[in-house]
Amino acid sequence: VQLVESGGGLVQPGGSLRLSCAGSGFTFSTYAISWVRQAPGKGLEWVSDINGSGGRTHYADVAKGRFTLSRDNSKNTVYLQMDSLRAEDTAVYYCAKEVIGSGYSYLGFDSWGQGTLVTVSS
Amino acid sequence: QSVLTQASSASGTLGQRVTISCSGSSSNIGINAVNWYQHLPGTAPKLLIYADNQRPSGVPDRFSGSKSGTSASLAISGLQFEDEADYYCAAWDDRLNGRGVFGGGTKLTVL
Repeated sequence: VQLVESGGGLVQPGGSLRLSCAGSGFTFSTYAISWVRQAPGKGLEWVSDINGSGGRTHYADVAKGRFTLSRDNSKNTVYLQMDSLRAEDTAVYYCAKEVIGSGYSYLGFDSWGQGTLVTVSS
Repeated sequence: QSVLTQASSASGTLGQRVTISCSGSSSNIGINAVNWYQHLPGTAPKLLIYADNQRPSGVPDRFSGSKSGTSASLAISGLQFEDEADYYCAAWDDRLNGRGVFGGGTKLTVL
């Protein structure tokens, strides 16, 4: 089982980035996927999740209206589109897979990606 | 301020048993599963306990989880120096159309 994130980098305030999370080694469409971030010196923060079929998403208040989560199960990939980025969005972003393959989120993540750094700065 | 409340720090001596607590509410811990993570700097978090008290394969039985009402606990017995890390609780919260929530984390020091 492996999750690999990509797409992080340096972006100016107000800019956009799209993070990708490619999964392998498991039946991708069976599992909900979440994004979790950790800002410098801070704790873990849940950002967003998408169910196995891709038909339902949830967002943290800090992400609502600015971030959009989607998935393409034919490509075993989840995408986090981040718009109107702010300095406070600077963090390492992880995608994570649920341990239970029900397609829904319980916040029990048994596999995580390596993390991708997003830096929002002018 | 986190939805789930954890003490910011805890400590124990080698071989001791320590407990880390996580307090929530009726919309999260009270009705949903609690999960626990160990996090070392520069690495991805590691799942220690899921569904209140289940250990994933490979996690030593020194780690155990319990829940009562709107609070949960992670117990670590036979404390080892390698257990020094940050520990987080996490659960689904049914308020506001549903969202995931983490505790603020507890830094465990092994003396």
